[in-house]
Amino acid sequence: EAGVTQFPSHSVIEKGQTVTLRCDPISGHDNLYWYRRVMGKEIKFLLHFVKESKQDESGMPNNRFLAERTGGTYSTLKVQPAELEDSGVYFCASSQDWKGGEQYFGPGTRLTVT
Amino acid sequence: AQSVTQLGSHVSVSEGALVLLRCNYSSSVPPYLFWYVQYPNQGLQLLLKYTSAATLVKGINGFEAEFKKSETSFHLTKPSAHMSDAAEYFCAVSGAPMDTGRRALTFGSGTRLQVQP
Repeated sequence: EAGVTQFPSHSVIEKGQTVTLRCDPISGHDNLYWYRRVMGKEIKFLLHFVKESKQDESGMPNNRFLAERTGGTYSTLKVQPAELEDSGVYFCASSQDWKGGEQYFGPGTRLTVT
Repeated sequence: AQSVTQLGSHVSVSEGALVLLRCNYSSSVPPYLFWYVQYPNQGLQLLLKYTSAATLVKGINGFEAEFKKSETSFHLTKPSAHMSDAAEYFCAVSGAPMDTGRRALTFGSGTRLQVQP
């Protein structure tokens, strides 16, 4: 069974540019989460999809961040325009059923904004 | 609201020594608790989880953790460290199923474990 995959693994962009991160969850997992770790800080929740619906987006930092999950499969996280403080590692996780709570994480996308 | 505190951002032990990584949590509802590990250049991998069953939880790679409600702690231990245990470890909490609020994980700041030969 393929795990959670994320693309790209690393992205370097200039301030003001746009970047789109992609996450492919484990097949059949309805729950998809985005998290972010800014350097030296803890991993923080951004948002949670159940299928194609946003269940909880309380962690989204501002309206420069837009997440979508069309068709309830893969998800994209767009940052537009990117700022220096957006640099960090963006993790995606998925789970089949919330009971038990186990989330399976992807390897992350390291975003560097210069 | 939930929060997690991991004492010690860096812990160094000798190979064969006891590993003890500390985690204290705060939760307004019965918590689900997790330990994740991140090896270099990899994603987070679940070590073990507590979901209101047995308070002593055994995980992969010889790790275990004990849920102590009175101390609001969920410390991670391993009797004998191996070089391959060198990684960053994260404690996390989420709400239990009856909590219809956020289901996301709240993480501690992580503890980097070094194992000396």
